[in-house]
Amino acid sequence: KQEVTQIPAALSVPEGENLVLNCSFTDSAIYNLQWFRQDPGKGLTSLLLIQSSQREQTSGRLNASLDKSSGRSTLYIAASQPGDSATYLCAVRPRLGASGSRLTFGEGTQLTVNP
Amino acid sequence: EPEVTQTPSHQVTQMGQEVILRCVPISNHLYFYWYRQILGQKVEFLVSFYNNEISEKSEIFDDQFSVERPDGSNFTLKIRSTKLEDSAMYFCASRGGSSHEQYFGPGTRLTVT
Repeated sequence: KQEVTQIPAALSVPEGENLVLNCSFTDSAIYNLQWFRQDPGKGLTSLLLIQSSQREQTSGRLNASLDKSSGRSTLYIAASQPGDSATYLCAVRPRLGASGSRLTFGEGTQLTVNP
Repeated sequence: EPEVTQTPSHQVTQMGQEVILRCVPISNHLYFYWYRQILGQKVEFLVSFYNNEISEKSEIFDDQFSVERPDGSNFTLKIRSTKLEDSAMYFCASRGGSSHEQYFGPGTRLTVT
């Protein structure tokens, strides 16, 4: 059974700092990995998706990397801003096909960026 | 930008009652999902739906739950005889045929008293 773990559980940084969030998964046979942002009491906003054949994806100040063989992904946030404060979730999809698209989520990292 | 919508945003019901949570997925998406998040816990997969049938379900999705796509736009989750432990945020998600990215709605907070 796939297990996804995120470290740290919470992180507080001053504005402008670069930071890294970590995600690990126990079964390396994944199809893709998706990073989400969740604001308090709100839904999930997709940030980046990395296919298993890719090593990294970038969107603006965000860069996600994937090391499938070691079961790890990182989300790098450059020049953090107070508006980046949220919970960041990673989720893995096991395989291609309609029956293999369920996402397994980590517990999230709660990020606070202080002005 | 197209988005997934869900109604109601908050539903309060008494134990034993039936509830229907509604979702309007992104137009032209083909794959639909329900997830839930109990307060303080991980987001958990419930069910996926494609081509008018369930394609996968988790062990949580027992006979108490059912899903339906009654028309071309709505996707519903019915919970029969609700229990206290069904209290959670329920998220609907959808995915296009050529895209691998799942897009989530804002959620319905279900409170069972």
